Amino acid sequence: DAGVTQSPTHLIKTRGQHVTLRCSPISGHKSVSWYQQVLGQGPQFIFQYYEKEERGRGNFPDRFSARQFPNYSSELNVNALLLGDSALYLCASSLGETAGVIEKLFFGSGTQLSVL
Amino acid sequence: QQPVQSPQAVILREGEDAVINCSSSKALYSVHWYRQKHGEAPIFLMILLKGGEQKGHDKISASFNEKKQQSSLYLTASQLSYSGTYFCGTERNSGTYKYIFGTGTRLKVLA
Repeated sequence: DAGVTQSPTHLIKTRGQHVTLRCSPISGHKSVSWYQQVLGQGPQFIFQYYEKEERGRGNFPDRFSARQFPNYSSELNVNALLLGDSALYLCASSLGETAGVIEKLFFGSGTQLSVL
Repeated sequence: QQPVQSPQAVILREGEDAVINCSSSKALYSVHWYRQKHGEAPIFLMILLKGGEQKGHDKISASFNEKKQQSSLYLTASQLSYSGTYFCGTERNSGTYKYIFGTGTRLKVLA
């Protein structure tokens, strides 16, 4: 079975632009969560979605938004990009049998975003 | 708010043991452990759900002391493949759900 897939793998944008990152969960997984990881630090939680509804939100500005589609894939959108948004963006999926909590997370390889 | 891990970094020789600690200033209801190799995604190691619970997988095990709001990861007879950054993770649910990773511990195993 395919693991969690993310696209694109790398992206270069300039300040003020908008970006959309995509994630396809493992087949059968209903929950998707997004994380931002700056080099040398741990992943920071951005959002969690379960059955197309937002179930959790981290301490990120409103420029960050996400959604989950009927096939459980997900998009992360970031508007008005800042230099500080440069990071590795990780997506993780989980079964969602317990509404996505207390579950093993399967991570994708991430999208490396560079903002110039 | 982020769980604090200690040590920040450790270097071992193959076959040596290591302990990584994860301490939280807030109540821990569950603890997860992940390992991330450079340039790769984090890989799940184990989840501990109850205070006092201990779990093991191969030569890697963990304990969870709910009262002390701490968890420890034990690596026995380290192998080269154990090198990477270890993160503990926990959940917060105070109105809205959040998942929090710890500060991380970089582990390097030398031949």
